Amino acid sequence: DGGITQSPKYLFRKEGQNVTLSCEQNLNHDAMYWYRQDPGQGLRLIYYSQIVNDFQKGDIAEGYSVSREKKESFPLTVTSAQKNPTAFYLCASSTFAGGNSYNEQFFGPGTRLTVL
Amino acid sequence: LAKTTQPISMDSYEGQEVNITCSHNNIATNDYITWYQQFPSQGPRFIIQGYKTKVTNEVASLFIPADRKSSTLSLPRVSLSDTAVYYCLVGDVLNNAGNMLTFGGGTRLMVKP
Repeated sequence: DGGITQSPKYLFRKEGQNVTLSCEQNLNHDAMYWYRQDPGQGLRLIYYSQIVNDFQKGDIAEGYSVSREKKESFPLTVTSAQKNPTAFYLCASSTFAGGNSYNEQFFGPGTRLTVL
Repeated sequence: LAKTTQPISMDSYEGQEVNITCSHNNIATNDYITWYQQFPSQGPRFIIQGYKTKVTNEVASLFIPADRKSSTLSLPRVSLSDTAVYYCLVGDVLNNAGNMLTFGGGTRLMVKP
């Protein structure tokens, strides 16, 4: 089954701790993305990566870090510097944007992070 | 990126056709219009995309007038399972940064029995 997976589904952490959210895809997609969604709100882009070993900040990158060492993996670390980390985190992937085709984003099931 | 405006919420009944309109007055020449659907506690999924006139697939139709300053997503004969949030996104999807589309607040559709 091809798809994109995120783990864990629910995550709790104590204030001041760093936590890493996993995102894996076996769709052979070049591009991967992390979004944050707060209750009743739309998605906001945190980081994105269009190719291995390269990534760019999105609209709300402060307090987050990412790595892209492998094509299929794009973990997100929520650091203690993130002031309000409780949210629903969504990972997505797509083929590399470019050329004359739209590359729709495929989303994972999400991780709900709660800071206690 | 073009700013979009859509109704916050809509109600409908099973079997009705639902039309959700999105305004994008400052749409650029190279911008496409894309709609995603999101169920609670799930990631969004792509529904339909268009540039002008009308696009239809097995799920929905997208109507875009000649001036492209608005678009309408049409869902035929909705069922309870169509209850979701629908996002309208506008952007230049053909360029390298084209996937950097902005998800606004969306329209929360409630389908009643």
